[in-house]
Amino acid sequence: QKEVEQDPGPLSVPEGAIVSLNCTYSNSAFQYFMWYRQYSRKGPELLMYSYSCGNKVAGRFTAQVDSSSKYISLFIRDSQPSDSATYLCAMNNAGNMLTFGGGTRLMVKP
Amino acid sequence: GAVVSQHPSWVICKSGTSVKIECRSLDFQATTMFWYRQFPKQSLMLMATSNEGSKATYEQGVEKDKFLINHASLTLSTLTVTSAHPEDSSFYICSASPTGLDGYTFGSGTRLTVV
Repeated sequence: QKEVEQDPGPLSVPEGAIVSLNCTYSNSAFQYFMWYRQYSRKGPELLMYSYSCGNKVAGRFTAQVDSSSKYISLFIRDSQPSDSATYLCAMNNAGNMLTFGGGTRLMVKP
Repeated sequence: GAVVSQHPSWVICKSGTSVKIECRSLDFQATTMFWYRQFPKQSLMLMATSNEGSKATYEQGVEKDKFLINHASLTLSTLTVTSAHPEDSSFYICSASPTGLDGYTFGSGTRLTVV
């Protein structure tokens, strides 16, 4: 079993829809959680990071961590075609290397 | 925000030659940087952890003698792919964090093609 599981998709939604992206993890030592967006042939771009439990909101993006269930989510509201990309979750424990999910490919259709 | 600069962004080289990739933290110091490799349609795979002033830590299955890492200063780490072969063709990305805890920033990546 992988330490971090993420549905590869592709996830196809119409423009304006609310998108929900999720990752589950097995290592209870993970404390820092990050979401990255990666466009084709580009390096990952940090969208959000959060610590332990709770919600964090930045514009159209909401990151949610449920450490008791070992489950994290990224919500995108009012999705746009420009949001079409691969979204990677990543997590670590205090400075240790990042462990990534496999990435979910999102396609937002106009 | 934290900026990581990676150079070159793409390189084509002949089989058997060596290629050096640079990763610089522009506005912060990084005692630790990470090097990843990404094959098409796959997620990032950690290759090694680059430590300033000491030897890099390599992941299992990554050849130390083939992928030479030098972290000579707090703002620069280099990855040299020695005696490159076509199977080394990949997207190489570095990352670093100002805090060493979270919010890791990635370089723009280097697309290496070995012909």
